Amino acid sequence: EVQLVESGGGLVQPGGSLRLSCAASGFTFSSYEMNWVRQAPGKGLDWVSYISSSGSTIYYADSVKGRFTISRDNAKNSLYLQMNSLRAEDTALYYCARGYSNDYWGQGTLVTVSS
Amino acid sequence: EIVLTQSPDFQSVTPKEKVTITCRASQSIGTSLHWYQQKPDQSPKLLIKYASQSISGVPSRFSGSGSGTDFTLTINSLEAEDAAAYYCHQSSSFPLTFGGGTKVEIK
Repeated sequence: EVQLVESGGGLVQPGGSLRLSCAASGFTFSSYEMNWVRQAPGKGLDWVSYISSSGSTIYYADSVKGRFTISRDNAKNSLYLQMNSLRAEDTALYYCARGYSNDYWGQGTLVTVSS
Repeated sequence: EIVLTQSPDFQSVTPKEKVTITCRASQSIGTSLHWYQQKPDQSPKLLIKYASQSISGVPSRFSGSGSGTDFTLTINSLEAEDAAAYYCHQSSSFPLTFGGGTKVEIK
């Protein structure tokens, strides 16, 4: 069974940092590209970042470029999102999702940026 | 950036009715368009991939069509459990984008 489990969310002050993790199981992680997608409270889905299966190709939404860094460790079946210089508008539930079609999603981890 | 415009934003529907949700792309995306269902307090669930490809385990009343800039998600014979928000998503080019969503309410 495919499983994606996010962790690392929490309450952080503006300007602070957090590192999100996504633990994958039930499939060959190293064969799939991955995405981070977020959803602000009561709002729609917002793509954040993409990483190819090998990690060699990476893209970011303009809203997070220069502040967020996506990475992966295929040996550990894990995906990461390092978030720096956090802003109030980054407050959201952050999901990891598998593949170009995002065929599997985790349950999300909540990031709250507030003083 | 490719903008996806969904319509309607909201639809109140009687059970067994047919529901049609449209998604228009600001430029051609071929068939790189996917549809998701999100129920309250749940993660999104893939319904249709690449415009019209069905997904294992998804009821057959859900279908998708379209190519280029105009796409449609159809729910035939709506059931009470279909109350949810529906989103389209394009994977044709970066930045990837989502439509604004359509909320379907059961009358």
